[in-house]
Amino acid sequence: AQSVTQLDSQVPVFEEAPVELRCNYSSSVSVYLFWYVQYPNQGLQLLLKYLSGSTLVKGINGFEAEFNKSQTSFHLRKPSVHISDTAEYFCAVILLTGGGNKLTFGTGTQLKVEL
Amino acid sequence: GAVVSQHPSRVICKSGTSVKIECRSLDFQATTMFWYRQFPKQSLMLMATSNEGSKATYEQGVEKDKFLINHASLTLSTLTVTSAHPEDSSFYICSARGGQGALGEQFFGPGTRLTVL
Repeated sequence: AQSVTQLDSQVPVFEEAPVELRCNYSSSVSVYLFWYVQYPNQGLQLLLKYLSGSTLVKGINGFEAEFNKSQTSFHLRKPSVHISDTAEYFCAVILLTGGGNKLTFGTGTQLKVEL
Repeated sequence: GAVVSQHPSRVICKSGTSVKIECRSLDFQATTMFWYRQFPKQSLMLMATSNEGSKATYEQGVEKDKFLINHASLTLSTLTVTSAHPEDSSFYICSARGGQGALGEQFFGPGTRLTVL
């Protein structure tokens, strides 16, 4: 069985500070990896995804993530956050074999950016 | 980018009644649509997957007779919560995918907040 673990339920950070949101997954087969952002009362929006190739993936709004196969991690980073980055962030995986191409989500990390 | 809409955004109903939630892909044809349920402070849990013109595939533990899903066209899917009870109160989110396989990006609707009194 696959699972996605987001270790931090809440991450407070001051504006213009760097941030890292952690994501680990467990799977014995290859996966696709995703980060989504959910602003209050809105649907999920794709930030970035890793399918293959370079392990450093750049997404929208200045976010990036690095796929680390040996550590089964896909942490999300931003060098300088803004108040508008306050939102819920979800890591998700797709199991490439036998999973029916279904997204499995982590429990989410609430990023709160403070002045 | 692709837009997925849901209607209504909020609904309050009495226990025992049925509620229908619509999910539409506004500018693309959705070959596959997904329905999720999200509890407060928790992750999205996949309820079912539907392909246009086919019966929905439900995840383990989801009652297919209670959560009726219809994907009659490439732009519309509906979720009907039948004989709703307070424990069905939740945030329901649909997602639509136009491409083939996992490479097709899923676009999410804004969600529907269901409150059953």
